[in-house]
Amino acid sequence: GAGVSQSPRYKVAKRGQDVALRCDPISGHVSLFWYQQALGQGPEFLTYFQNEAQLDKSGLPSDRFFAERPEGSVSTLKIQRTQQEDSAVYLCASSSPRGTETQYFGPGTRLLVL
Amino acid sequence: EDQVTQSPEALRLQEGESSSLNCSYTVSGLRGLFWYRQDPGKGPEFLFTLYSAGEEKEKERLKATLTKKESFLHITAPKPEDSATYLCAVHANSGYSTLTFGKGTMLLVSP
Repeated sequence: GAGVSQSPRYKVAKRGQDVALRCDPISGHVSLFWYQQALGQGPEFLTYFQNEAQLDKSGLPSDRFFAERPEGSVSTLKIQRTQQEDSAVYLCASSSPRGTETQYFGPGTRLLVL
Repeated sequence: EDQVTQSPEALRLQEGESSSLNCSYTVSGLRGLFWYRQDPGKGPEFLFTLYSAGEEKEKERLKATLTKKESFLHITAPKPEDSATYLCAVHANSGYSTLTFGKGTMLLVSP
């Protein structure tokens, strides 16, 4: 596709519910990143994939957060037993290792946990 | 630990009133400094990448500059459509390609 797409755009979950957020990166992009953005803050790094390998997951806030990219393209960020503090916008970005390594962002998924 | 501080937090300008946004950074070896624009409800949109002190890049009414400690985003004769949050991020030499972002500057340009 022309850009990074994410779905759903909005998700309302009850506390304790599991959620899954999807990211479709730009075609051919090897690197994929997940960020969390709280209201009024800049994005904060969660995890990084190069192809299907998860090379850095140091930003995941707890073991309730899990990400995968099994075939090296689409990625899913899963949050188990959601808590109110998980409410945020979850951004996905992709980049190619060739050239500037500029990260291109999707529109984000706005998660609200009630 | 890599740190990025942006100032001011918010800026209100009249149309045509030029100004600058500041991004101060502390990083263990700068690989690149990025500027993004973010509109409400949307993801960050890439503007510029700067790699070394003294480098400058321009796009329409925006010009980004870089020194060894900070970057400036100069906005010349802004228009209301320039209203957005401007984010600065650094990519350090250490680790992988992750970006460390500042909190952003919210710019409002009034007609």
